[in-house]
Amino acid sequence: QKEVEQNSGPLSVPEGAIASLNCTYSDRVSQSFFWYRQYSGKSPELIMSIYSNGDKEDGRFTAQLNKASQYVSLLIRDSQPSDSATYLCAVSGSARQLTFGSGTQLTVLP
Amino acid sequence: GAVVSQHPSWVICKSGTSVKIECRSLDFQATTMFWYRQFPKQSLMLMATSNEGSKATYEQGVEKDKFLINHASLTLSTLTVTSAHPEDSSFYICSASSRPSPNEKLFFGSGTQLSVL
Repeated sequence: QKEVEQNSGPLSVPEGAIASLNCTYSDRVSQSFFWYRQYSGKSPELIMSIYSNGDKEDGRFTAQLNKASQYVSLLIRDSQPSDSATYLCAVSGSARQLTFGSGTQLTVLP
Repeated sequence: GAVVSQHPSWVICKSGTSVKIECRSLDFQATTMFWYRQFPKQSLMLMATSNEGSKATYEQGVEKDKFLINHASLTLSTLTVTSAHPEDSSFYICSASSRPSPNEKLFFGSGTQLSVL
């Protein structure tokens, strides 16, 4: 079982819609959770971080964390074509190192 | 946010040569630096963790004699790919943390695309 799992996609949504990205993790003692956006050929860019159960909103982005279900998600409201990228879920676990999921490729169609 | 500078951004080399990649933290002291490798359409895989002034800790399966990491100062870490082969062609990314533990946000360099002919 992979430590951090994501649906690889591709996920396509129309412009203006809500994009929902999901991630599950295996290490129950994980404490920190991050969403990164990566454009092709570029390094990852931090979008959101979340540390406690519930929702965290930042502009068009909302991160949701459920530690009991070992599940973290990212919602992107009013999706724009510029949001088209690969979204990486990352988890800081008991080894205190960041483990990345394989990424979900998102395409926002104009 | 904090800036991490990585160069070169891309390099093409012949098989058997060595390539050095530099990673600098420009506006903070990086007590810990991480080196990742990413193959096409795959996620970032941690290669090694280095703390300033001490030997790097390599992940399982990463050859420490092939991937030499030096973290001689709080602002500079280097990765040298020795005797590079085509299978070493990949996107190498460094990241840096100003905290002793990597629990907080990491700041990434811009990455180095290595192509070995």
